[in-house]
Amino acid sequence: ETGVTQSPTHLIKTRGQQVTLRCSSQSGHNTVSWYQQALGQGPQFIFQYYREEENGRGNFPPRFSGLQFPNYSSELNVNALELDDSALYLCASSSKSGAGETQYFGPGTRLLVL
Amino acid sequence: RKEVEQDPGPFNVPEGATVAFNCTYSNSASQSFFWYRQDCRKEPKLLMSVYSSGNEDGRFTAQLNRASQYISLLIRDSKLSDSATYLCVVSGGGNKLTFGTGTQLKVEL
Repeated sequence: ETGVTQSPTHLIKTRGQQVTLRCSSQSGHNTVSWYQQALGQGPQFIFQYYREEENGRGNFPPRFSGLQFPNYSSELNVNALELDDSALYLCASSSKSGAGETQYFGPGTRLLVL
Repeated sequence: RKEVEQDPGPFNVPEGATVAFNCTYSNSASQSFFWYRQDCRKEPKLLMSVYSSGNEDGRFTAQLNRASQYISLLIRDSKLSDSATYLCVVSGGGNKLTFGTGTQLKVEL
């Protein structure tokens, strides 16, 4: 296994609610990236955190926000949930923030918005 | 046009067959290239990186053509355990990974 853990594994919310997803990176990794994978699609980049700072963001609205802590674990927060937010949310850790660095994925959190 | 395009499949092949997947990408500034494998309801896992010179890992061979912006994966002697979705992935600066939608492979007895 990769050593990247995520919690919770599954979550059911209703429209308009807020959710916080958590990720613990692999030991020695200081970079965490978050991805959203809708059914039948490839993962889409949400944002990346490097040494507690946001280091790049994909095409997601501001209601998607995040944090990285001094131990390099990370949170993804989504406000005002919409039905289309239902997806598998993946975090990936890597030892550096740069092209070519291998990213190791956690098992993901399945979010269902009703 | 999608940044990374793949044939979604499914590719249904008998055990022992050779199968090839192709992928094209639109950003000529892309720097790194990968194939990831994703089993049903699991996370993506790195299968192999792809280099301009081509590279091989056992039964798997990957090729990159930068001029045509084209990536391929060849699987020889397919096994039942190869059944999965294969994701073509490119990366520019900053380590953002851009995924294709994936190609589904089913290896049958």
